[in-house]
Amino acid sequence: DSGVTQTPKHLITATGQRVTLRCSPRSGDLSVYWYQQSLDQGLQFLIQYYNGEERAKGNILERFSAQQFPDLHSELNLSSLELGDSALYFCASSPLAGNTEAFFGQGTRLTVV
Amino acid sequence: GENVEQHPSTLSVQEGDSAVIKCTYSDSASNYFPWYKQELGKGPQLIIDIRSNVGEKKDQRIAVTLNKTAKHFSLHITETQPEDSAVYFCAASRDTGGFKTIFGAGTRLFVKA
Repeated sequence: DSGVTQTPKHLITATGQRVTLRCSPRSGDLSVYWYQQSLDQGLQFLIQYYNGEERAKGNILERFSAQQFPDLHSELNLSSLELGDSALYFCASSPLAGNTEAFFGQGTRLTVV
Repeated sequence: GENVEQHPSTLSVQEGDSAVIKCTYSDSASNYFPWYKQELGKGPQLIIDIRSNVGEKKDQRIAVTLNKTAKHFSLHITETQPEDSAVYFCAASRDTGGFKTIFGAGTRLFVKA
């Protein structure tokens, strides 16, 4: 168990809908990262927050947004969902701002039908 | 843009043999190179990492080598065991000029008993 909690584990929704994925980092970790893993694909970095502030942005679509709250948990919001958004979404956390081991959650499997 | 190429995409070895996975990165500012192991249904987990000021690092049966000039790093697993079967991801990360981590596409390792 990495100590990173993601909810829900599975999510099935229709095209055009909006969903929110939640992540609780390890106790004491200030950084939260979001990644997308499509079928048989590698991990695509979406966005990073550090202590409540956006730190880095990767290949995140404009339809997607995220935030980190004062208690350090984070939410990833996906809107106007398309079939191609179906993927595993991972949250990871680390104590520092970057270039250190990241601890991954078990992921949320999103299926858009 | 920056990318990380990882080879091979699939690797099958006999138990007890060695396995080698190779990655090449393009961003010369990368200075941190982690390797993650992802088992079925789980999030990636760090198995070893190396920083740009080091050429080689070893942890029991696992070793990583880095050639900064060639922008090339490799994972070596000796005396493979069936429980080593998983998907392995390399990554290249930098924290200067903006944090960015790029993952390779992954190598699916099968260790046959």
